[in-house]
Amino acid sequence: DVKVTQSSRYLVKRTGEKVFLECVQDMDHENMFWYRQDPGLGLRLIYFSYDVKMKEKGDIPEGYSVSREKKERFSLILESASTNQTSMYLCASASGIGFEQFFGPGTRLTVL
Amino acid sequence: KQEVTQIPAALSVPEGENLVLNCSFTDSAIYNLQWFRQDPGKGLTSLLLIQSSQREQTSGRLNASLDKSSGRSTLYIAASQPGDSATYLCAVSGNTPLVFGKGTRLSVIA
Repeated sequence: DVKVTQSSRYLVKRTGEKVFLECVQDMDHENMFWYRQDPGLGLRLIYFSYDVKMKEKGDIPEGYSVSREKKERFSLILESASTNQTSMYLCASASGIGFEQFFGPGTRLTVL
Repeated sequence: KQEVTQIPAALSVPEGENLVLNCSFTDSAIYNLQWFRQDPGKGLTSLLLIQSSQREQTSGRLNASLDKSSGRSTLYIAASQPGDSATYLCAVSGNTPLVFGKGTRLSVIA
């Protein structure tokens, strides 16, 4: 069965902290994605990766960076967390662009 | 730029009703369309994927149709149950990652 896991379900951090969100997939998928979801704004793509060590900016990359050192793992980094980054963060993977995407359970991040 | 719209934003129906959720998109050059379900505070669960060459897909009580030329898809839910209460999102894929609608929040009342 397809599985995407995220390191935390809930996370509380302070303004200015460096935050790491990790995502792991066990399907040998080439593509991985990070989204944030906010009420009224829907899902917005932050970054995606189509191969190890490759990354592409999505619609809202400002304030974020990513790392993909291994195929199965895709990390989202908030270099200096701010309160406007309080959100639900969702990771997904797919075997390619245009293929079915599978999502993790999400991480609810609160920045105080 | 692709835009995806879902109407209505919220829907409340009595148990047992058949219902239709609508999704429209502005650019018909898509690879596929995917319907997802999201329970409160949870991730997205893939329900159905329709390739651009297909007209419909079925899974249990769910049937999704795709009319690429008119930029529309519908998700039909037969004999609705309280357990169907959730937000339903559609998303389309072209040569870029998925573009999502904002979803329809469905409440099925027992």
